[in-house]
Amino acid sequence: KNEVEQSPQNLTAQEGEFITINCSYSVGISALHWLQQHPGGGIVSLFMLSSGKKKHGRLIATINIQEKHSSLHITASHPRDSAVYICAVSPGGSNYKLTFGKGTLLTVNP
Amino acid sequence: EAGVAQSPRYKIIEKRQSVAFWCNPISGHATLYWYQQILGQGPKLLIQFQNNGVVDDSQLPKDRFSAERLKGVDSTLKIQPAKLEDSAVYLCASSFGLGETQYFGPGTRLLVL
Repeated sequence: KNEVEQSPQNLTAQEGEFITINCSYSVGISALHWLQQHPGGGIVSLFMLSSGKKKHGRLIATINIQEKHSSLHITASHPRDSAVYICAVSPGGSNYKLTFGKGTLLTVNP
Repeated sequence: EAGVAQSPRYKIIEKRQSVAFWCNPISGHATLYWYQQILGQGPKLLIQFQNNGVVDDSQLPKDRFSAERLKGVDSTLKIQPAKLEDSAVYLCASSFGLGETQYFGPGTRLLVL
């Protein structure tokens, strides 16, 4: 069982829909990261959070440390949001190595 | 601010050949990472440098992979000899320091035939 599990693996939505991608982890962490990867492109860091909620434009990330769960929400989705969204965790202490989930492929149709 | 640069963007080689990838991190970033991302999976850390020293290379297949960051800036990752299962995207990332936000390059897509 992977230390970081994402759901769903694939998600197709219509433009304008509200999107939720989930991430569950099984280890203690110091921070959780949400990353975006476009086809053929590099990875962009969206959020790094250790508690509560962060918002950037139409993107919102939340984390519940007790439940070891995080969600990434996209409001008013747009075709340009189509990408792979990856959840990663860093264990903390002196270990900063990221453990990545397999990613969620999001396709937003016009 | 310039991002993380990588070259080449694409490389096709035959098995048993050698290949090298280059990474130029964001100026001032002390920490540099090399990741391997196989299709359909999340990235896997191969090696992590802090300046020119290795912090973690526990998942680097040292019989065929090597990496260096001699002057604490640019880095190269080499595979010699390549195997079919090395086909993947090789991502370089850098951060200001340990535990800081990582900035990723565009990656090098390697296909081993």
